[in-house]
Amino acid sequence: DQQVKQNSPSLSVQEGRISILNCDYTNSMFDYFLWYKKYPAEGPTFLISISSIKDKNEDGRFTVFLNKSAKHLSLHIVPSQPGDSAVYFCAASGAGNTGKLIFGQGTTLQVKP
Amino acid sequence: DTEVTQTPKHLVMGMTNKKSLKCEQHMGHRAMYWYKQKAKKPPELMFVYSYEKLSINESVPSRFSPECPNSSLLNLHLHALQPEDSALYLCASSQDDLLTYGYTFGSGTRLTVV
Repeated sequence: DQQVKQNSPSLSVQEGRISILNCDYTNSMFDYFLWYKKYPAEGPTFLISISSIKDKNEDGRFTVFLNKSAKHLSLHIVPSQPGDSAVYFCAASGAGNTGKLIFGQGTTLQVKP
Repeated sequence: DTEVTQTPKHLVMGMTNKKSLKCEQHMGHRAMYWYKQKAKKPPELMFVYSYEKLSINESVPSRFSPECPNSSLLNLHLHALQPEDSALYLCASSQDDLLTYGYTFGSGTRLTVV
């Protein structure tokens, strides 16, 4: 049972345009959501997070939106840069926040110059 | 120092071998984690140590044995593994088991069991 889903395995955008990566979850007990970026041969790198009490969090070019009623979150990257090309993982943690993260399958973003 | 260091980067072991994976951080983080990632799959949690005590074991087979000798070190002892255990093993740490700032991951150990 996949509790965190990223239904788009890949996304290709032009440099300077917006990249939108989507994530859906099924467990209403999740209360904290994070996005990670992963380059080949490296560990995932933390990008941005959002608590369930908020619907938006922004950090530079990265903005995460949370729609609790739809159990959906999205990561917006504006403007996209070729260096953003990587695999992006959405992750969620549940009530009690014991440190356990459940990851989605990942979306491979390619930003074309 | 803002890194999590994992050694070795690559490991090939036979099914009868005993080996250990090592993880080190000097950020003062009090929670440390082992994750396993198979190709084209998301990372899956194996173990959580919080303040040097094992707090979560995700029903991992006993052929994987974690150890946290101190707040900076985390080991994963491997014994009698199966070929299906071949994967990327990721260590991570966080300030505590709250996740306000997420995890810091190491680069992983690519394990091949032959």
